[in-house]
Amino acid sequence: RKEVEQDPGPFNVPEGATVAFNCTYSNSASQSFFWYRQDCRKEPKLLMSVYSSGNEDGRFTAQLNRASQYISLLIRDSKLSDSATYLCVVALIQGAQKLVFGQGTRLTINP
Amino acid sequence: GAGVSQSPSNKVTEKGKDVELRCDPISGHTALYWYRQSLGQGLEFLIYFQGNSAPDKSGLPSDRFSAERTGGSVSTLTIQRTQQEDSAVYLCASSGGAISGETQYFGPGTRLLVL
Repeated sequence: RKEVEQDPGPFNVPEGATVAFNCTYSNSASQSFFWYRQDCRKEPKLLMSVYSSGNEDGRFTAQLNRASQYISLLIRDSKLSDSATYLCVVALIQGAQKLVFGQGTRLTINP
Repeated sequence: GAGVSQSPSNKVTEKGKDVELRCDPISGHTALYWYRQSLGQGLEFLIYFQGNSAPDKSGLPSDRFSAERTGGSVSTLTIQRTQQEDSAVYLCASSGGAISGETQYFGPGTRLLVL
């Protein structure tokens, strides 16, 4: 079983739609959680951290359920510029620096 | 520079040759990481440097892979006797300190193709 699992997609949705991504992780000792965004042939960039209480940044909402070892990302009112691959990322152990990346979910927003 | 830089941006080599990939982290960042991203795959951790501590090499796939970081700044990833399965994008990232989860900033990567 992969340490971080995501639906690889691709997701094709119309502009303005709401889209949700899910991610599960296997190591219950995981401490920190993130969503990164990766554009085609570009490097990953941090989109947002994910906190236990859930957090929102504009049109983006991230949620964490430690009991279920489940992370989600919701994008509201999607824009063409949201088209990218979204990577679920977990930091395993407090003090360790190794981030474990999911395979990524590819999203295409259609006009 | 303002961000992490890597060179070369693209490298084509023949099977069996050695290659060196370079990473210049963000100035002042103490932590440096190497990852590999194969086609259609997620990022795979390779090695991590933090200050003067011994590097965490647990992700290196074989003894053909090695990395060093000179003067706590620039890092070089060396792949000896390259194989076709080494073809991937090699990404370097840096972060400011030792706190788990501190934001890692990625370079643009080196695309390696082994023929």
